[in-house]
Amino acid sequence: AQTVTQSQPEMSVQEAETVTLSCTYDTSESNYYLFWYKQPPSRQMILVIRQEAYKQQNATENRFSVNFQKAAKSFSLKISDSQLGDTAMYFCAFSTTSGTYKYIFGTGTRLKVLA
Amino acid sequence: NAGVTQTPKFRILKIGQSMTLQCTQDMNHNYMYWYRQDPGMGLKLIYYSVGAGITDKGEVPNGYNVSRSTTEDFPLRLELAAPSQTSVYFCASSSRTGRNTEAFFGQGTRLTVV
Repeated sequence: AQTVTQSQPEMSVQEAETVTLSCTYDTSESNYYLFWYKQPPSRQMILVIRQEAYKQQNATENRFSVNFQKAAKSFSLKISDSQLGDTAMYFCAFSTTSGTYKYIFGTGTRLKVLA
Repeated sequence: NAGVTQTPKFRILKIGQSMTLQCTQDMNHNYMYWYRQDPGMGLKLIYYSVGAGITDKGEVPNGYNVSRSTTEDFPLRLELAAPSQTSVYFCASSSRTGRNTEAFFGQGTRLTVV
């Protein structure tokens, strides 16, 4: 069974600084998808970034980028130039590329951006 | 473009009561999911469906039931509500075609059982 682990329950960062959120996962699959979702106080789940395991290049979306280490089963999220609006809960998620396509989530990291 | 719509947004139930959480999506997605979110526990899969007429249990199905009679709708039924079912419930859907690999979520239902 696949598992996703986020070992940092809470983090804080100063506005305009850079922060990295950690995520590790366990799977025997060779191909899969990884995601980071943001959940602001509004409770809405918002996709931040996705990575396909067969792609070696790390995904980037504006100020958000990932460090995907397939051999180490690590998938960290880097937020550059942090903004107050980045304050949220961040969830790492895993999904297979075949079968039932279930999404497995980590326990989340609560990020607070300080003014 | 509504996406995934959940109703109600908030509900208080008494122990032993029953209710149905409604979920509908207008994106013609085959895959639909119900998750519950508890503090510090992330999202746990309750039930999922790979298409109309097909449902299966997730990690934490006890106390819940689902049906999927149409592609659009995936209601979650709580029978005999218990305090342990106090949680935030999310419905999600995905198409898993081409680059469309992510799950789209509704806005959640905060349920309190007293």
